[in-house]
Amino acid sequence: DTAVSQTPKYLVTQMGNDKSIKCEQNLGHDTMYWYKQDSKKFLKIMFSYNNKELIINETVPNRFSPKSPDKAHLNLHINSLELGDSAVYFCASSQGGGRYMNTEAFFGQGTRLTVV
Amino acid sequence: AQSVTQLDSQVPVFEEAPVELRCNYSSSVSVYLFWYVQYPNQGLQLLLKYLSGSTLVKSINGFEAEFNKSQTSFHLRKPSVHISDTAEYFCAVSDQWANFGNEKLTFGTGTRLTIIP
Repeated sequence: DTAVSQTPKYLVTQMGNDKSIKCEQNLGHDTMYWYKQDSKKFLKIMFSYNNKELIINETVPNRFSPKSPDKAHLNLHINSLELGDSAVYFCASSQGGGRYMNTEAFFGQGTRLTVV
Repeated sequence: AQSVTQLDSQVPVFEEAPVELRCNYSSSVSVYLFWYVQYPNQGLQLLLKYLSGSTLVKSINGFEAEFNKSQTSFHLRKPSVHISDTAEYFCAVSDQWANFGNEKLTFGTGTRLTIIP
């Protein structure tokens, strides 16, 4: 069983459309994240959720709206897509909970979003 | 705030030769240190991590990294590389005291390791 799974793996869409990316983890972790990897492979945190509560919102345009229906799922909805949104979006999860609890983050396979 | 510097964006190495990928970090708080590997068209996989204790940490596939607090470095080494090691390698840090959703990773810009047959 895949620990962190994202769908879809590839997403090609036109400017102005609205799209969603789904993420699920079966590790029992409390914390989930969205990271963005740009065309130069740079990875940056976008959001984090802990037990369905938004914790980190890293100056992301409000066209991006994460939603966590339960602690095993974290979805990302993007409105009015722009060319600059083209990137690979990674979902991740970790145990969280304090010092020495956060031993590592587990990443999904990524969703390559191409806006044309 | 934290930052991670990977000075080498690309490192070509002949097969069976040794390699070192450099990582330096800056942080006002104590950090955990990680190396993640990304194979072509795949997600990120943890290669190794330093949390506490021995400053030399090793992976199951022959990589090792040493935490040097005075030099704020966490360089990755392998004595003999294989074709299968071709990938992008990312150094990352997180705040040791962050909790309950604040444990974000700050990544370096990555080093592309290319193994030459």
